[in-house]
Amino acid sequence: EAGVVQSPRYKIIEKKQPVAFWCNPISGHNTLYWYLQNLGQGPELLIRYENEEAVDDSQLPKDRFSAERLKGVDSTLKIQPAELGDSAVYLCASGDRAANTEAFFGQGTRLTVV
Amino acid sequence: AQSVSQHNHHVILSEAASLELGCNYSYGGTVNLFWYVQYPGQHLQLLLKYFSGDPLVKGIKGFEAEFIKSKFSFNLRKPSVQWSDTAEYFCAVRDNTDKLIFGTGTRLQVFP
Repeated sequence: EAGVVQSPRYKIIEKKQPVAFWCNPISGHNTLYWYLQNLGQGPELLIRYENEEAVDDSQLPKDRFSAERLKGVDSTLKIQPAELGDSAVYLCASGDRAANTEAFFGQGTRLTVV
Repeated sequence: AQSVSQHNHHVILSEAASLELGCNYSYGGTVNLFWYVQYPGQHLQLLLKYFSGDPLVKGIKGFEAEFIKSKFSFNLRKPSVQWSDTAEYFCAVRDNTDKLIFGTGTRLQVFP
């Protein structure tokens, strides 16, 4: 069974440019998380979905960040415009709330804003 | 708001030494507890988890953790570390709303 798939793995952009990250969760997982991880830090929750509904987006900087999970499967996270401080690893994870599983993580997208 | 504290930011050990990494959380309700590991260049992987039952849980690669409810703690242990255990270790707590919060991590370096 395939794990959580994220793309791209790496992205380098100039500041003020837009960028988007894509996540394909494990099949059947209704919970999807986006986390941000700075170097030497733990993952910080940006947004959590239950199916297509964003149930916790309190930590998402909504002035520049947006996310969607159409049809309750794949998800995209967008930053527009990107700032230097957005350089980090963006992690996607999924889980099955009904089965009470743990969160399974993708490889992450390393974003560098120059 | 709930929080997770990992007191050891950087631990350096020799092979065969014993390991204990501390984790404390602030949430007072029912929780699920996790330890994840991140090897260099790899994604976060689950080491072990506690949902209910026996507070001493065993995970992969000889790791174990003990849930002490009265101390809000879930410390990770391994009797004898190996060089291959060099990695970053994260404690995480999930509350009854499914919110999953991570600690800041502990970097473990094991020298042969």
